[in-house]
Amino acid sequence: GQNIDQPTEMTATEGAIVQINCTYQTSGFNGLFWYQQHAGEAPTFLSYNVLDGLEEKGRFSSFLSRSKGYSYLLLKELQMKDSASYLCAVSSNDYKLSFGAGTTVTVRA
Amino acid sequence: IAGITQAPTSQILAAGRRMTLRCTQDMRHNAMYWYRQDLGLGLRLIHYSNTAGTTGKGEVPDGYSVSRANTDDFPLTLASAVPSQTSVYFCASSRTSGGADTQYFGPGTRLTVL
Repeated sequence: GQNIDQPTEMTATEGAIVQINCTYQTSGFNGLFWYQQHAGEAPTFLSYNVLDGLEEKGRFSSFLSRSKGYSYLLLKELQMKDSASYLCAVSSNDYKLSFGAGTTVTVRA
Repeated sequence: IAGITQAPTSQILAAGRRMTLRCTQDMRHNAMYWYRQDLGLGLRLIHYSNTAGTTGKGEVPDGYSVSRANTDDFPLTLASAVPSQTSVYFCASSRTSGGADTQYFGPGTRLTVL
């Protein structure tokens, strides 16, 4: 089966930077997704990485190292509205997504 | 309709009852998926459909069935509900079943089986 690990919880202060790590062991690799999920809502797409390196999109950046089975999501200039769960998901050989359990980020004033 | 809709929003169900969760998308996406989300376990794939007329089993298919008679609709049926099926159910769709296509999620159905 697939194995995707990410921390359960993280807390940071408004305006700060938080880095959410994700490690994975999967059968094949066809890309890694990050989703944001606010409490009681649906997951929404944040980023997709298939090649090694950093993808920047405004305040959010995502990094991938395929050789290390590692990714991180970087949230800069944190705002209160960034309080949410962040889900790491890997597309493997069968093109289906396997999700980590999610990291709950709490932003404090 | 814009995107993906699910019905009902929430439901309380007696064990042993049959229940169908509805999912409709208007994006003309070929692929559709059903997930359940449980605390500490993340999203787990129940069933999927790569295109209308085809379905496949995901990670946790037991106790669930699906059909895909057309592009837009992908209902999930619990033939005889059990308490362990208490969960939040999300339907999702993507343009194709290829690994690079983003999946878009519906608002979810919160199901409680007593």
